[in-house]
Amino acid sequence: IVMTQSPATLSVSPGEGATLSCRASQSVSSNLAWYQHKPGQAPRLLIYGASIRATGITDRFTGSGSGTDFTLTISSLQSEDVAVYYCQQYNDWPPFTFGPGTKVDIK
Amino acid sequence: EVQLLESGGGLAPPGGSLRLSCAASGFTFNYYGMTWVRQVPGKGLEWISAISGSGANIFYADSVKGRFTISRDNSKNTLYLQLNRLTAEDTAIYYCAKNECPRHNPTCYKFDSWGPGTLVTVSS
Repeated sequence: IVMTQSPATLSVSPGEGATLSCRASQSVSSNLAWYQHKPGQAPRLLIYGASIRATGITDRFTGSGSGTDFTLTISSLQSEDVAVYYCQQYNDWPPFTFGPGTKVDIK
Repeated sequence: EVQLLESGGGLAPPGGSLRLSCAASGFTFNYYGMTWVRQVPGKGLEWISAISGSGANIFYADSVKGRFTISRDNSKNTLYLQLNRLTAEDTAIYYCAKNECPRHNPTCYKFDSWGPGTLVTVSS
């Protein structure tokens, strides 16, 4: 399964919202996770099951979608949200592929 | 608190070998599948290998199959990755990661805890 993400880079003004897209080459049902990865840090699980927030994740992050098309929405972007965001499918046995990532920065 | 800490990275020549370790604590290690993910500098995340909680089920990405070997010692709460026949394309930060749920099921292979990573550099 090939995962694609768009856009590759997203520049957003502070307080504005951001919409990130992830597409699978075939259906992965709702078996889709989103991660946040900041430079020099470990990746962090944000969303799994396409829409379930991981423990401790703020409700400014919202996941949606099923099948092949998924969206991560960040509401009211803050400086600490600057990162690369990856989607990952885990619908079937390996490989558990990641998308190429969307870099989010502050305009 | 779950903690994962990788070690064993460093400089290796092309064709050389390294053994990475990931020390785990804060959870019942043998209940959970574990995974290695790498990031080539400036590139994205790449899933490369996974092992079930018992160690009975092992998976590899095509890019490392036949060269890398994943294993675990549940008595030591430690995950390993043996890297052989290294090439420059294996230069990356290697992360170990824990499955989100304790079942041998593909739907548990999303990763709720990660180590800080260890850098492997392959160069002569």
